[in-house]
Amino acid sequence: QVQLVQSGAGMKKPGASVKVSCQTSGYPFISYYINWVRRAPGQGLEWMGIINPSDGGTTYAQKFQGRITLTRDTAASTVYMELSSLRSDDTATYFCARARRGITLIGFDYWGQGALVTVSS
Amino acid sequence: FMLTQPHSVSESPGGTVTISCTRSSGSIVTNYVQWYQHRPGSSPVTVIHEDNLRPSGVPDRFFGSIDSSSNSASLTISGLKTEDEADYYCQSFDGRDQVFGGGTKLTVL
Repeated sequence: QVQLVQSGAGMKKPGASVKVSCQTSGYPFISYYINWVRRAPGQGLEWMGIINPSDGGTTYAQKFQGRITLTRDTAASTVYMELSSLRSDDTATYFCARARRGITLIGFDYWGQGALVTVSS
Repeated sequence: FMLTQPHSVSESPGGTVTISCTRSSGSIVTNYVQWYQHRPGSSPVTVIHEDNLRPSGVPDRFFGSIDSSSNSASLTISGLKTEDEADYYCQSFDGRDQVFGGGTKLTVL
């Protein structure tokens, strides 16, 4: 069955970076885009970016341009999200989410369990 | 474009509630709308995709629709159960980015 398993949660200091992984299984890794979405306390869902596991191509939300890097390891069927220059308002649960039917037009079907990143001095 | 949802709605168990999602510019019919249910501590779950399709396992109490006259999408939940209490988000694609509505807190009391 399709699974997205995340790791990389934890506490970070302001100015540091965090790297969250999303290990996938149960489907052809290169056939489905992976999105990253976060939810901060008291806030709504926020789309951060997307990666094409086939060629590594990425699109980032303008808000995160310059601070976010999405990469993938095809051998490990894993996607990574790195966010730098962390601030307190980056405290959030970060989710990876697979694009439904492998395309960008129709939302997400499977989600990771989420990774809580807390930014505090 | 932006997607605007009411901040909160409430209804009694067994009742029916409709959550709206209004697109700020461009036509609502141009891009599919999805709806996600998000309970605290869990991952979001799709309840409607492609405007009005229910994934397997989602009960037919959940209904999605599009109204071009008001440029909005709606999620209607009937026969409300306490387990439906959650935050609900509409979402669409603007040609480059995925866009979420601000979310609606559904209280079933």
